[in-house]
Amino acid sequence: AQSVSQHNHHVILSEAASLELGCNYSYGGTVNLFWYVQYPGQHLQLLLKYFSGDPLVKGIKGFEAEFIKSKFSFNLRKPSVQWSDTAEYFCAVKVGGSQGNLIFGKGTKLSVKP
Amino acid sequence: GAGVSQTPSNKVTEKGKYVELRCDPISGHTALYWYRQSLGQGPEFLIYFQGTGAADDSGLPNDRFFAVRPEGSVSTLKIQRTERGDSAVYLCASSLRGNGYTFGSGTRLTVV
Repeated sequence: AQSVSQHNHHVILSEAASLELGCNYSYGGTVNLFWYVQYPGQHLQLLLKYFSGDPLVKGIKGFEAEFIKSKFSFNLRKPSVQWSDTAEYFCAVKVGGSQGNLIFGKGTKLSVKP
Repeated sequence: GAGVSQTPSNKVTEKGKYVELRCDPISGHTALYWYRQSLGQGPEFLIYFQGTGAADDSGLPNDRFFAVRPEGSVSTLKIQRTERGDSAVYLCASSLRGNGYTFGSGTRLTVV
């Protein structure tokens, strides 16, 4: 069965530190990959997505992710975090065709200290 | 509408009762998805609709859960004989062509 693993449950950083959140998936076919963010008290919002082409994907708010097919990974990065990046981050893979459902990881909570 | 709307935002019900949760997707979005998110977990897929029909209901945990989308727009998730383990945030999302999924704010269901 398809699954998504996020290695870090809770990450604590100081402002201006660099961020990398790990995401690995298990799925043998063509994948579409997503990172969503959930700020406290708010709904899930799309940060970025990968469908095809350049494996380095740039998203909103300075986030980027790199798809490495050989490693089944799609790690999220940001060079310098801000206090406002405090949130929970979810990696997801789409299966089942163009309108297929998303399978989510368990999420990583990021706390940024001012 | 401008976004995905879910009502109610909070629902407290007694064990054994029946509940209905409503999702109003973005106008024109053909695909609609229901997820359940428990504390400390990622969203867990329940069911998705393509138009009026359920394209995949493999995530529904048991036959107490049922969902409909009779006119291809608004959807209702129905839970019979609620149990305390059903307590979670129920999320709805919609999509036009599968390249972006817009989520609602969810309904927090508490079964006491």
